Amino acid sequence: QKEVEQDPGPLSVPEGAIVSLNCTYSNSAFQYFMWYRQYSRKGPELLMYTYSSGNKEDGRFTAQVDKSSKYISLFIRDSQPSDSATYLCAMSVLSGSARQLTFGSGTQLTVLP
Amino acid sequence: EAGVAQSPRYKIIEKRQSVAFWCNPISGHATLYWYQQILGQGPKLLIQFQNNGVVDDSQLPKDRFSAERLKGVDSTLKIQPAKLEDSAVYLCASSLDRTGQGDYEQFFGPGTRLTVL
Repeated sequence: QKEVEQDPGPLSVPEGAIVSLNCTYSNSAFQYFMWYRQYSRKGPELLMYTYSSGNKEDGRFTAQVDKSSKYISLFIRDSQPSDSATYLCAMSVLSGSARQLTFGSGTQLTVLP
Repeated sequence: EAGVAQSPRYKIIEKRQSVAFWCNPISGHATLYWYQQILGQGPKLLIQFQNNGVVDDSQLPKDRFSAERLKGVDSTLKIQPAKLEDSAVYLCASSLDRTGQGDYEQFFGPGTRLTVL
């Protein structure tokens, strides 16, 4: 079993739709939870970051963490064609002196105009 | 602020050949990471440097992969000899983190896309 499982997609939605992206994890030691966005032929860029259960909102994006269920989600409201990208969840645990990032496999999202 | 620079952007080689990738992190960033991203998968950490010292290389296939970070700035990742399964995007990232224990954002470069024939 992988430490981090992510809904594989691909996901295609019309402009303006609400998008839900999800990951589950098995390692209870994960402390920090992140969402990265990766455009084609580019490196990942950090979108959202949280370390506690609950919701965190940033504009059209909401990150949700449920540590009891080991489940995290990213919601995108009023989705735009420019949101079309691969979304990667990532989690970290302090291991020795290094903060390790473990990524999900990514969900490819296409927002149709 | 300039981002993480990587070169080359693309490389095609035949199996058993050697290849090297170069990374220039964001100025002042103490921590540097190399990741391997196979098509359809998330990035997997290969090695982490703190300044010019290795913090973690537990997932680096040391029989064929090597990496160095001279003077705590630029870094090179080498594969020798390459195998078909090494075809992937190799991403370099850097962060301000000076102790390896902070919560500093990792900034990624555009990656080098390697194809092994």
